[in-house]
Amino acid sequence: GAVVSQHPSWVICKSGTSVKIECRSLDFQATTMFWYRQFPKQSLMLMATSNEGSKATYEQGVEKDKFLINHASLTLSTLTVTSAHPEDSSFYICSARETGGWVYGYTFGSGTRLTVV
Amino acid sequence: SQQGEEDPQALSIQEGENATMNCSYKTSINNLQWYRQNSGRGLVHLILIRSNEREKHSGRLRVTLDTSKKSSSLLITASRAADTASYFCATDFNAGNNRKLIWGLGTSLAVNP
Repeated sequence: GAVVSQHPSWVICKSGTSVKIECRSLDFQATTMFWYRQFPKQSLMLMATSNEGSKATYEQGVEKDKFLINHASLTLSTLTVTSAHPEDSSFYICSARETGGWVYGYTFGSGTRLTVV
Repeated sequence: SQQGEEDPQALSIQEGENATMNCSYKTSINNLQWYRQNSGRGLVHLILIRSNEREKHSGRLRVTLDTSKKSSSLLITASRAADTASYFCATDFNAGNNRKLIWGLGTSLAVNP
């Protein structure tokens, strides 16, 4: 079945630094990828939708200059948290939707736990 | 907010009992999906029900969908301690030129041995 690899699974960084999270579709092409964040004991909040070769569409309240999304190929999207601060600490999850085809279509990465110290 | 609502927020039952979780949403949908998440881990897709379906079964899972009430329920029968997790519904809908998932707030299920 479709597999999405998300890397790293966890990362600790210092306040003020930037962190890049990768999301790869391993055995299918993904025109569209999604980035979510999840705080402890809360639900997933959609941050942005990225379409290959175009700018990402950010949800209301999400700072596009802080959360840089690049979807340069049909198998890779990256999320860069710039100038990270402790309040950015969260669980980030990506998902990819296969180009064309099946009704379900969403495959999720295993998530990245970001801790900013 | 587009986010759906789930109830109960938390549910504690004994092994062998049935667990029912409900989900309400606000927009017209393509389908509704249920997911499970163990603490601090990724999501596991459980079942999908299309907007033109009313009921679906998968093993010990039974999902219903009432589009007139914009609600869905997930029933887990004969629960096991291993079913302890958070359960989320997600609605797949069209937002302009994009399709996306909007998530319910989740139900935390504890199954006691």
